Amino acid sequence: EDQVTQSPEALRLQEGESSSLNCSYTVSGLRGLFWYRQDPGKGPEFLFTLYSAGEEKEKERLKATLTKKESFLHITAPKPEDSATYLCAARVVYSGGGADGLTFGKGTHLIIQP
Amino acid sequence: SQTIHQWPATLVQPVGSPLSLECTVEGTSNPNLYWYRQAAGRGLQLLFYSVGIGQISSEVPQNLSASRPQDRQFILSSKKLLLSDSGFYLCAGGIRDRPYEQYFGPGTRLTVT
Repeated sequence: EDQVTQSPEALRLQEGESSSLNCSYTVSGLRGLFWYRQDPGKGPEFLFTLYSAGEEKEKERLKATLTKKESFLHITAPKPEDSATYLCAARVVYSGGGADGLTFGKGTHLIIQP
Repeated sequence: SQTIHQWPATLVQPVGSPLSLECTVEGTSNPNLYWYRQAAGRGLQLLFYSVGIGQISSEVPQNLSASRPQDRQFILSSKKLLLSDSGFYLCAGGIRDRPYEQYFGPGTRLTVT
């Protein structure tokens, strides 16, 4: 069964304190790993897609990396506005109709304290 | 760019009442469309997806149904709501040439009382 597991469930950091969020996956033949940001009461916002081991993507203070078994979202010198839930998802083939889609992890709730 | 519209933003319904949530897509044609439910501590659960008009697939058996009467319209329905149907419902669309970059709507918070 395809699974995506994120850790930690919650993380509290001081402003400027860098850290990493982890996403591990067990997916047959990974064809894409996705990161989203979700603010409370809103829909997820797309951040990155990674397709192959060794690939990296950056956006402001965020950098996503991918290995054969996991992905990391590195947050450098975070600010309070980076507080959100970060979701990881893997591309899978749906059993019902054979179409491709995403299976999500439960997310990491990140709080950056000023 | 693609924009996903959903309404209503919040909804409180009694047990046994019907449900209709609507999602429309702007800025692209023939998108893949998805309905998810997000419950506290359980992550995003895929409910239905559609690759075209009238084509609906379900990943999880449930009390809900979906329809796609037009290319850019996706509707989630129920004939009789259960308490367990409470949650945050999200519609998402995937662009044909980048179908896995799913773009989400603002969501509907449903409370069944």
